[in-house]
Amino acid sequence: SQQGEEDPQALSIQEGENATMNCSYKTSINNLQWYRQNSGRGLVHLILIRSNEREKHSGRLRVTLDTSKKSSSLLITASRAADTASYFCATDFTGGGNKLTFGTGTQLKVEL
Amino acid sequence: EADIYQTPRYLVIGTGKKITLECSQTMGHDKMYWYQQDPGMELHLIHYSYGVNSTEKGDLSSESTVSRIRTEHFPLTLESARPSHTSQYLCASSEFGGPETQYFGPGTRLLVL
Repeated sequence: SQQGEEDPQALSIQEGENATMNCSYKTSINNLQWYRQNSGRGLVHLILIRSNEREKHSGRLRVTLDTSKKSSSLLITASRAADTASYFCATDFTGGGNKLTFGTGTQLKVEL
Repeated sequence: EADIYQTPRYLVIGTGKKITLECSQTMGHDKMYWYQQDPGMELHLIHYSYGVNSTEKGDLSSESTVSRIRTEHFPLTLESARPSHTSQYLCASSEFGGPETQYFGPGTRLLVL
């Protein structure tokens, strides 16, 4: 399976702290994406990083990609209670017909 | 907010009933997907379509069927619901070509008694 594995499975932090989530995958990819899912809702796309990129920023989000280690990390800086959600990485792996394979997710809780 | 809609949002139904979960999008996307997700777990692709009259099975085997008669509409049908079908079903769409960014609907929570 090309499924991504994420760690930690769950993370609880205080508002204002940074949150880091990691994703590992097994095969070569075209791009890797991060999505957020609020409880009981659909997923929302956050950021996409291509296989030839190493780092990308979007507002308080910073994503890194290390294709040699087949891993990615998502950093949320200065977290807010509204960031409480599950975060999933998704890989568009080479030869996969542009379908996405989702990771197991990290449940983030940001406490006041 | 993405312009992709799912109905119903919640469905409680008895074993053996036929159900259809509706999904529609107004973005003109050619690609559409159905995922199954158990609470707190990863998403599993069960069906996808690259355009009208195109349907494919996904990575997770499912007893459901889909159709794509119109670009904007991608319904999922279970001919005979069973308790093992209890799950959340998420519909998504994306543009053809280019990076595969998907837009998701709010999901349908299905409970089969």
